[in-house]
Amino acid sequence: DAGITQSPRHKVTETGTPVTLRCHQTENHRYMYWYRQDPGHGLRLIHYSYGVKDTDKGEVSDGYSVSRSKTEDFLLTLESATSSQTSVYFCAISVTSGATDTQYFGPGTRLTVL
Amino acid sequence: AQSVTQLGSHVSVSEGALVLLRCNYSSSVPPYLFWYVQYPNQGLQLLLKYTTGATLVKGINGFEAEFKKSETSFHLTKPSAHMSDAAEYFCAVSPFDTGGFKTIFGAGTRLFVKA
Repeated sequence: DAGITQSPRHKVTETGTPVTLRCHQTENHRYMYWYRQDPGHGLRLIHYSYGVKDTDKGEVSDGYSVSRSKTEDFLLTLESATSSQTSVYFCAISVTSGATDTQYFGPGTRLTVL
Repeated sequence: AQSVTQLGSHVSVSEGALVLLRCNYSSSVPPYLFWYVQYPNQGLQLLLKYTTGATLVKGINGFEAEFKKSETSFHLTKPSAHMSDAAEYFCAVSPFDTGGFKTIFGAGTRLFVKA
């Protein structure tokens, strides 16, 4: 358990509404990530953060924004949700050991956009 | 560019039988390799990882994987399947000496264990 919580765990929303997902960690890790998981695609990186106010885009960032105002919190916002954003969203942190970064994941948020 | 291919989206074995989940990767630089397991309605848990050194890596729950550079493979095995092993398994690759944001995940293999 890497001390990662996600909220909400489940959410149903309508197309066009804004949605914010929260990731909270308790161990002061520098790097945090947001992934989405879809059948047949594994996990795809949306955005990541390498410090407070320092973020960058991942593979599938269109339609998503992030913010990190505190080390422990990393927010993912869907500005105007679409049905294609129905997915399970995972937050992760990475721990560096030697030259290796190993990722540890939160429990996930299941988002349904109607 | 790196990529990960997991052969077989579904694998079914009998309880007590050998588990073999296949993973092949492509990477232009020496990779770090990972296997994760995901139980229903949970996040991914690290099973094992290869960084450097011994090519046979032992992980939790009796799983192990062998890095074969010549075959660009990192297959996951367990000698005797247990019902509790039923889950989805993900192989992942990360280039040497880069951050986690470079990690690429395979599409996953769902393991079914029959009584």
